[in-house]
Amino acid sequence: SQKIEQNSEALNIQEGKTATLTCNYTNYSPAYLQWYRQDPGRGPVFLLLIRENEKEKRKERLKVTFDTTLKQSLFHITASQPADSATYLCALGGAAGNKLTFGGGTRVLVKP
Amino acid sequence: GAVVSQHPSWVICKSGTSVKIECRSLDFQATTMFWYRQFPKQSLMLMATSNEGSKATYEQGVEKDKFLINHASLTLSTLTVTSAHPEDSSFYICSARHAGTETQYFGPGTRLLVL
Repeated sequence: SQKIEQNSEALNIQEGKTATLTCNYTNYSPAYLQWYRQDPGRGPVFLLLIRENEKEKRKERLKVTFDTTLKQSLFHITASQPADSATYLCALGGAAGNKLTFGGGTRVLVKP
Repeated sequence: GAVVSQHPSWVICKSGTSVKIECRSLDFQATTMFWYRQFPKQSLMLMATSNEGSKATYEQGVEKDKFLINHASLTLSTLTVTSAHPEDSSFYICSARHAGTETQYFGPGTRLLVL
C-alpha cells in the first residue's frame, strides 16, 4: 500500500538556521508533490508544488527538491524565523481525480 | 486570491442530531471540492471528492449515508453529518481546486464536538 513518511519528531532549530524536512514515499509514483503549512486549529496553507520532472523549486526562503529515484522530497526553510514555527505537511498527487495523499507532518519550532 | 471559507468554525451538538458544514470558494470557481477529517496529532484523511453537479465519490470506509455531500454550485459544497455520535467528533476541513490545476486551497476547518 502507499506510504508517505515524514519525521514525526519535532524539529527544534535556532532562529537564522536552515530547517530541513524530509518526505519519503513508497508504492507511489506521484505526478507532483506539494508542501503545506498548518498552524494549530487551522486548515493547511499551500506553499509549493513541484512536478515529477522538476528537481528543485524555490519561493522566497523556501526550497523544495524532488528525487523520484530516491522517492524523496526535501523541504528547506532558510534563515528561519520564530514565525515559521508550524507543522509542515507533504502531499503527493496525480492519482485519478487529482486527490492528494498527505504525510503525517513534521512540527518545526524555531527558537529566538 | 484563492480564499476558501468554512462555516461554522466550531459546533457543539447532542448525539443523534445532524450538523451541516458549508465550504465556499470566495474568489474562484471550484469545479472540485474535497472533504477531509483530521483527528488530534494525525494527518488529514480524505473523506470524499465532490464535483459540481454530480454525486460525490467517497473513500473506502466512509459511509456515504452518514456524511452527505452536496456540491450544488461552483462556489459551494456542504457536508452534513447525519445522526452524529461522539466518535464523529473531529476537525473537518474542506479544500477547493480550480479547474485544470492541481493545487488545493483549504478552508480554516470546522471543529465538531458531539456530546
